[in-house]
Amino acid sequence: NAGVTQTPKFRVLKTGQSMTLLCAQDMNHEYMYWYRQDPGMGLRLIHYSVGEGTTAKGEVPDGYNVSRLKKQNFLLGLESAAPSQTSVYFCASKIAGAVSYEQYFGPGTRLTVT
Amino acid sequence: AQKITQTQPGMFVQEKEAVTLDCTYDTSDQSYGLFWYKQPSSGEMIFLIYQGSYDEQNATEGRYSLNFQKARKSANLVISASQLGDSAMYFCAMREQNRDDKIIFGKGTRLHILP
Repeated sequence: NAGVTQTPKFRVLKTGQSMTLLCAQDMNHEYMYWYRQDPGMGLRLIHYSVGEGTTAKGEVPDGYNVSRLKKQNFLLGLESAAPSQTSVYFCASKIAGAVSYEQYFGPGTRLTVT
Repeated sequence: AQKITQTQPGMFVQEKEAVTLDCTYDTSDQSYGLFWYKQPSSGEMIFLIYQGSYDEQNATEGRYSLNFQKARKSANLVISASQLGDSAMYFCAMREQNRDDKIIFGKGTRLHILP
């Protein structure tokens, strides 16, 4: 069981470039989330999905898009990267319902936009 | 609006002492849940403990316990017999019912355990 994996681990982009971050989970979880972590800010929710084919906005969605074409994958896209998007990005997943409320996190992706 | 407040940006504690990390929250919901996550310097997020608002007993997991005071809206994390490996950033977080299990995080407390 790999749990939650994120690709890539590190990336440097120039302003205006685009990229996609991939999150994959092998726990058959229905719910998946993308967060960003900035110094002194904790984690903030960007977008999330409660099932295959569904997505919804979180607290800080501007400048990002997401897709959940397969249950096990959740993609986060940056169409035109900006320096303000320099951050560490975490993906998380959880099982639906009240069996457990724990979110399982991936190892993170450190993105620098110059 | 829901909010998590962690007022201690940093703490220094002697090894083997008990540690209390403060967390207060604000919500208008009756049903909610509170988490603590640990983030060591390696960066991963590690789930420590969860407390539901209707749970009658305080949650415990090994050396971790959550001191839940509903009337005060506080959910402090207590680490007994601290170890050097407890040095990390600690985040308090809250889940509100019927909001797709989204959780909001506090800004964290950096804990340093001194040998």
